[in-house]
This record gives sequence, structure tokens and C-alpha cells, in this order.
Amino acid sequence: EPEVTQTPSHQVTQMGQEVILRCVPISNHLYFYWYRQILGQKVEFLVSFYNNEISEKSEIFDDQFSVERPDGSNFTLKIRSTKLEDSAMYFCASRESHQPQHFGDGTRLSIL
Amino acid sequence: AQTVTQSQPEMSVQEAETVTLSCTYDTSESDYYLFWYKQPPSRQMILVIRQEAYKQQNATENRFSVNFQKAAKSFSLKISDSQLGDAAMYFCAYTNAGNNRKLIWGLGTSLAVNP
Repeated sequence: EPEVTQTPSHQVTQMGQEVILRCVPISNHLYFYWYRQILGQKVEFLVSFYNNEISEKSEIFDDQFSVERPDGSNFTLKIRSTKLEDSAMYFCASRESHQPQHFGDGTRLSIL
Repeated sequence: AQTVTQSQPEMSVQEAETVTLSCTYDTSESDYYLFWYKQPPSRQMILVIRQEAYKQQNATENRFSVNFQKAAKSFSLKISDSQLGDAAMYFCAYTNAGNNRKLIWGLGTSLAVNP
């Protein structure tokens, strides 16, 4: 069964550095999402992406964040000037029209 | 704004027994979808079951079934014949039926299965 693939599984970064989290959605999916889960807290929507542009973003998704689909397969989340509070599990998801979202295994981001 | 509430932070069940996890939600929409996702210790997010709001029939997937009460805005998950592998965090989630379909999540219920 096709899967959403996220890399790396764990990223450790110094505060103030930039990180890029990578996702390969399922190949025929058209809608892409990033979610964040801070340890012990609820999963939060960050951004959705369709037709090569952001379709919706949350209040969390400020100028520190950006997303890109640089080629036909990858979907990346860039976090600039990371802060301690950016430490979280980041999930990528994708879906076809009228179908539920399929999630990757997540990237655990640790900011030191 | 839509919200999802899971009022049971932790639940436990004996192996082979049945357990029900509660979820309520709030929305003014008439067409939407509800989901239960399972998150084992490995932290993956796995779809367990989904329900379309326009369907009156409750969804079932093998040992998993839901009790969808649209008027009461309630969406509980029943796990029958519980297995050790069912131990996980369970999240209830909601999405509108529009194009975007971002998921709105509850806080989760941690389910322990006792041998």
C-alpha cells in the first residue's frame, strides 16, 4: 500500500537555525497538509496546500514558516530561526479528493 | 469555530473485553466528516474509522464501530474484543466537507489494555 514518507525521523537543531522537514506524499494525491503535535498536547493544523499554493494556514503558521513543493514529489516545511517552542512532532498528510488524509510517521524536531 | 472534545484522558480495558471512547464536537455545518485516529507509542497516526455526517448508518471496521448521534453531536468509538495491540492514544477528529478539509482534533484518550 502506498505511504506518505517523512524524513528525517528525528532532527536535532540549535536554536536560531533553519530546518527543512521533508515529505513525499502519495503519488496521486492532490491535497497536502502539515500538522504539529507538541508533546502532551493536541495535534494542531499548520497549513494546507493545493494546486501549488497554500489553501489555508493557521495562526501558528507565521512568517517563520514556509512550505514548498519543489518538484513533482516532495513537499517541504521550512522553519526559519527556530525557537525552543518549535520542538514538536511534525506530521505531513496527503489525500485524494473526497478521501481521508493519510499520514506519514512524523518528524520529531528537537530544538536545543 | 468547530471544536472537538474528548473528556476521557485515560481509559483501560481488559484484554478481550469491550471499551467505548467518547467524543463530542461542535459545528454549525450540516455536512462534515468525523474520524478516529490511533497513535501507538511509535507516534504514527493511523486512521481507524471514518463517518460521513450525511450517513445515518454507523460505520464499522472489523472490531471497531462508532455510535454517531448527529443531533447530540456525539461520536463514540467502540472497540470489541480488545487486543494488546490496541493500546495507544486515540484521537477524534473533525473536518468540514469543503475543499480544504483540515482536521480539527480532540486532546486524545490514552487506552491501556490489560492482559
